[in-house]
Amino acid sequence: LAKTTQPISMDSYEGQEVNITCSHNNIATNDYITWYQQFPSQGPRFIIQGYKTKVTNEVASLFIPADRKSSTLSLPRVSLSDTAVYYCLVGDPRYGQNFVFGPGTRLSVLP
Amino acid sequence: EAEVAQSPRYKITEKSQAVAFWCDPISGHATLYWYRQILGQGPELLVQFQDESVVDDSQLPKDRFSAERLKGVDSTLKIQPAELGDSAMYLCASSPPGTSYNEQFFGPGTRLTVL
Repeated sequence: LAKTTQPISMDSYEGQEVNITCSHNNIATNDYITWYQQFPSQGPRFIIQGYKTKVTNEVASLFIPADRKSSTLSLPRVSLSDTAVYYCLVGDPRYGQNFVFGPGTRLSVLP
Repeated sequence: EAEVAQSPRYKITEKSQAVAFWCDPISGHATLYWYRQILGQGPELLVQFQDESVVDDSQLPKDRFSAERLKGVDSTLKIQPAELGDSAMYLCASSPPGTSYNEQFFGPGTRLTVL
C-alpha cells in the first residue's frame, strides 16, 4: 500500500485559495489518488479523484505532476464551511479497497 | 439523493456487554465497508464485503468482532464483549460496481461509548 504524508493542519482566511499537498513516493502504476472531506460527527465525503495531470470538478481541483509522487488539492475561495479534515488516499480502484486513511489535514478557515 | 443508512446513531454500553450496528448501503452497491474511527484519527478499515462475501477482514479483531452481510444487501457488525477501547465512531460505506474508480459513500456513523 502506498503511504501518504500530508500536513497535520493548515489555517486560511475566507476567500483565499487553499492548496493541500500530499506526498506518496511509492505510488504504484495502477493507483489512483482520492481526496475525502470530513466534518465533525459525519462520515467522510468524496471530493475528487485523479490519476495524472489535472482534474477539476465543481468543488475542487487536483493537480498531479508527471512523476505522480505527490498531488495537490486546491480549494478555490474557501469559506467558513470548508473547515474540515481532508484526507489523501492512494490505492488501486480495481480492488475497491485498501484505501488507507491517514490522520488527514485539519483545515481551519478563519473569518 | 440515495444515502447509506446506519443505526443506531449513538450507543452507550457497559464493558463486557454485546453491541450490534446495522448498515443499509445505497441500493445496487455491491461493495460494503465497515470502518472504525477513533477521535482525532482517520477511519480504519475493519472489513470489506463484495456482495455477501468477505473480501478483507485482516484488521477485524475476530476474537470479539463479527460482521455479516447474509443476502448481500444490509450488514451487521457485532462486538461481544465490548471493551473500553472500543469507544469510537463506526462508519459504514458502500461503493457501486463496475466503476473504473472507487468512490465510497459513507453513512453518518454510530458513535459507541463503552463505560
